[in-house]
Amino acid sequence: AQSVTQLGSHVSVSEGALVLLRCNYSSSVPPYLFWYVQYPNQGLQLLLKYTSAATLVKGINGFEAEFKKSETSFHLTKPSAHMSDAAEYFCAVSRMDSSYKLIFGSGTRLLVRP
Amino acid sequence: DTGVSQNPRHKITKRGQNVTFRCDPISEHNRLYWYRQTLGQGPEFLTYFQNEAQLEKSRLLSDRFSAERPKGSFSTLEIQRTEQGDSAMYLCASSRTGGGASLTDTQYFGPGTRLTVL
Repeated sequence: AQSVTQLGSHVSVSEGALVLLRCNYSSSVPPYLFWYVQYPNQGLQLLLKYTSAATLVKGINGFEAEFKKSETSFHLTKPSAHMSDAAEYFCAVSRMDSSYKLIFGSGTRLLVRP
Repeated sequence: DTGVSQNPRHKITKRGQNVTFRCDPISEHNRLYWYRQTLGQGPEFLTYFQNEAQLEKSRLLSDRFSAERPKGSFSTLEIQRTEQGDSAMYLCASSRTGGGASLTDTQYFGPGTRLTVL
């Protein structure tokens, strides 16, 4: 069965510092992987998606993620945090059947200190 | 393209009452998904439609829950005899099937309906 683990329910960084949010997946076949961001009381906004093309995926707002099959990881990074990046981030894997339903991790709340 | 919309955004109800939520997907998206998100957790899949056909239901979807998508456009999610455990954010997402690795399989989410059962 596919699953997603996000290490660290809370991550705190200073403004301008590197952002690293960790995601590990479990899948018997190469998966589709996603990062979504959720601002308070809002729905989820797609940041980026991996679909077995380039292993380094660039997304919106300066975020990128690298697919590492050997580590079963898909960590999200941003070189320089901005106050507006404070939000909840979810990693998800798509079920590799006809449904393509998403299986989410439990999320990581990013706090950005001034 | 105005995005996925959901109504109402917030619903407060008393235990035992019935509630209905509506989701309007992105036009021309043939797939529509419902997820439930409880506090501090990631969303969990409830059910999905391809056009008007409901193709899968999670075991989370008890028989008090029913979803429809008449004519393959908007969808409704009804909860009968609400319980306090039903309090959650209900999220709707839509996508366009394209087969294989394609942007058309990306799910776009609405703002959600937050349900509070007193």
